[in-house]
Amino acid sequence: DSGVTQTPKHLITATGQRVTLRCSPRSGDLSVYWYQQSLDQGLQFLIQYYNGEERAKGNILERFSAQQFPDLHSELNLSSLELGDSALYFCASSVGRHTEAFFGQGTRLTVV
Amino acid sequence: QQQVKQSPQSLIVQKGGIPIINCAYENTAFDYFPWYQQFPGKGPALLIAIRPDVSEKKEGRFTISFNKSAKQFSLHIMDSQPGDSATYFCAASMRGGNKLTFGTGTQLKVEL
Repeated sequence: DSGVTQTPKHLITATGQRVTLRCSPRSGDLSVYWYQQSLDQGLQFLIQYYNGEERAKGNILERFSAQQFPDLHSELNLSSLELGDSALYFCASSVGRHTEAFFGQGTRLTVV
Repeated sequence: QQQVKQSPQSLIVQKGGIPIINCAYENTAFDYFPWYQQFPGKGPALLIAIRPDVSEKKEGRFTISFNKSAKQFSLHIMDSQPGDSATYFCAASMRGGNKLTFGTGTQLKVEL
């Protein structure tokens, strides 16, 4: 167990809908990262927050947004969902901005 | 543009064998190279990582070999066991764990 908690584990929703994925980092970790894993794109970095501030952005769609709250948990919001958004979404956390990252178990999103 | 190329895509070895997974990178600004292990339905778990100031790092049965001039690094698993059967990902980033760029993964099967 990495200590990173993600909820929900599974999510099934319809196209056009909006969902929120939640991540609680390891105790003491200030950095939170979001990754998407799909069969065609592999593991792709989406976005990083450090102590509540956005620090790095990857291949994140404009329909997606994230935030990190004062208690350091993070949420990834996915809107106007499309079939192609079906994927595993992982959260990872680390102590600092440039230290080893530990991954949660992921949220499997299925858009139907 | 894929910045980290991983091979082979899949690998079958006998118990006790030494599977070798190779990765090559393009971005010379990368300075942190971790390997992750992922079991079905789980998140990637950090196995071992190396920085370019050393050519080899060992942790238990896992060894990373690093060739800075060739921009290549590889994972060796000594005395492989059926429990090592998983998907292995190499990754790279600049300045620590920030924004990992992952390889495409190698599915390893260790047979009895």
